[in-house]
Order: sequence, then structure tokens, then C-alpha cells
Amino acid sequence: GQQLNQSPQSMFIQEGEDVSMNCTSSSIFNTWLWYKQDPGEGPVLLIALYKAGELTSNGRLTAQFGITRKDSFLNISASIPSDVGIYFCAGQSIVSSNTGKLIFGQGTTLQVKP
Amino acid sequence: DGGITQSPKYLFRKEGQNVTLSCEQNLNHDAMYWYRQDPGQGLRLIYYSQIVNDFQKGDIAEGYSVSREKKESFPLTVTSAQKNPTAFYLCASSQQGSQPQHFGDGTRLSIL
Repeated sequence: GQQLNQSPQSMFIQEGEDVSMNCTSSSIFNTWLWYKQDPGEGPVLLIALYKAGELTSNGRLTAQFGITRKDSFLNISASIPSDVGIYFCAGQSIVSSNTGKLIFGQGTTLQVKP
Repeated sequence: DGGITQSPKYLFRKEGQNVTLSCEQNLNHDAMYWYRQDPGQGLRLIYYSQIVNDFQKGDIAEGYSVSREKKESFPLTVTSAQKNPTAFYLCASSQQGSQPQHFGDGTRLSIL
């Protein structure tokens, strides 16, 4: 089945540093979503992208929908301790858009050292 | 407050037992989904439902069953046929298939 490759798998950074993570797909997507999951809780939607080339910000977070429609990245600027968690990308293909089925990346675990 | 409520938070199952996980939403969303999450892995789709009284298998439906008798409720039963049920189970809903999914806080199922 379809797969998303999300990298890096984990990051350990100093507070104040910027963070970048990305997802790539073998097929074209028409929607990219980025979620954050805290331990023992459900994922929370951070940013939704719907058009190739779209660049969207949410506070210190910025995400882009790749021009090829096969990739997306998420940047976090000036990281703080509460940014700790697992970040997931998720994509939806044109074929799946009427069912809402998403394909998830394996997640990027972010740890921030104060 | 509007949202998705999963219960219980923790659940224990004995060998050979069926257990049912509850998922209720008051967002008036049409579509609902069940996912399984294992450590170090992404979310895998078990079942989904786009309208009441209709549901479809996801990628890992074997050993699970669902029902959608009401718009706001989508319970998941983990049957004894599921040989490796220990996992974190997440329920999600969306307004329509093309809209982003929003998640509940999950149920952690363990085997006694």
C-alpha cells in the first residue's frame, strides 16, 4: 500500500533552535496535514495544506505543500520545551478524498533541552 | 465543549474475551474512523464510516468489528480473533471525507 517516509525519526535539540522535518510520498497527494501528539493523548491538528506550493504558518510553525505534490515539510522556529512530542505528517490522495482516508508517516519524536 | 470522547482511557482484556471501546462525538461530523497505534509506528486504519449504518474495512480490519447505529457513536469491538490486541486505539471524526480529521484522546488496551 501507499507509504509516507517521514524524517528524521527523532531529534534532540537545544531550546531556541529551529527544527525542520519532512515527509515524502511515492504518489501524489491533494492534502497534507501535520499533527502533534503528546504522550498518552490523541494527535492534534497543527496545519492543513490543500494546494501545491502552499505555505502556511501557525505561530512559530510553518508548513509547505511541495510543488511536486509528493512532499511536505514542517518547520518550528525558536523551539521551547512544550514543543516536545511526536509530530506526524498525513496525506490524502485524490482517490481517497471522498472517503477521507489518510496515510500517516511514522512520526518524528522531538525532544528539547532547556 | 464540542469534541470526541473515548472511553475508557485504559482497558484490560483477558485471553479469549471480546472488549468494546467507546467513541462518541458531538461535532455533528459525518465521518468517523478507528486507528491503531503501536510504538514507533504511524497510525493504521482499522475501520471507517462515512454515514450512519454504513462502514468499510481499513488496512488492518481482521479481528475487529464496528457498528454505526447513530451519527455520534462509532464503537469498536476487539474480538478474541485479534491475536495481538495490545495497542493504543484512536478514534477520529471529520465533517466530510475531504476535511481534516480530529482525534479523541485514545484508549490503551492491554492483555492480562
